[in-house]
Amino acid sequence: DAGITQSPRYKITETGRQVTLMCHQTWSHSYMFWYRQDLGHGLRLIYYSAAADITDKGEVPDGYVVSRSKTENFPLTLESATRSQTSVYFCASSLPGQNIQYFGAGTRLSVL
Amino acid sequence: QQPVQSPQAVILREGEDAVINCSSSKALYSVHWYRQKHGEAPVFLMILLKGGEQKGHDKISASFNEKKQQSSLYLTASQLSYSGTYFCGTGPFSGSARQLTFGSGTQLTVLP
Repeated sequence: DAGITQSPRYKITETGRQVTLMCHQTWSHSYMFWYRQDLGHGLRLIYYSAAADITDKGEVPDGYVVSRSKTENFPLTLESATRSQTSVYFCASSLPGQNIQYFGAGTRLSVL
Repeated sequence: QQPVQSPQAVILREGEDAVINCSSSKALYSVHWYRQKHGEAPVFLMILLKGGEQKGHDKISASFNEKKQQSSLYLTASQLSYSGTYFCGTGPFSGSARQLTFGSGTQLTVLP
């Protein structure tokens, strides 16, 4: 029972580089989410997806791109990383009608 | 719009009680409570629906005040394991976790 996994767990990159954070879930949950967590702001929604090929913006989508070609994967790409994108990123998933989001362990990203 | 949590942080001794509040300027339909231990992923605690009853989970319970547009989380006889950051998330009437807006969190520290 692998659940929801994120990779890498830690990433250091430089300003201007492209970075992709991976999220994989084994439950066939249709809903998937990306959050960033910053001190004082809690969890803020970046993008979410209701199903394969269906994505929508959350509260803070600027500078991020997502795709979802398969139900189980929901990668998050920073096309040109900036220092303000230094954060901890969490992926989560949920079933329609279910009232629980299941979170991955997170990716700590540092942009130098 | 992010719900407002108070207090931002609380320190207490084992066996003491604590209350964490979650307020919204918009109408509240469902409130989802999560706990995140240091360095770990957020984990679902409970959900309260508008018109629903007060919920309980071991010695942790919560209430929903529709008139005040507020939910409160009650931790009684705190244990060391209760330490962590507590987040409330506001959601739709159905209680679905389809799209939640989280507060900035309350850091709870329980000392021996």
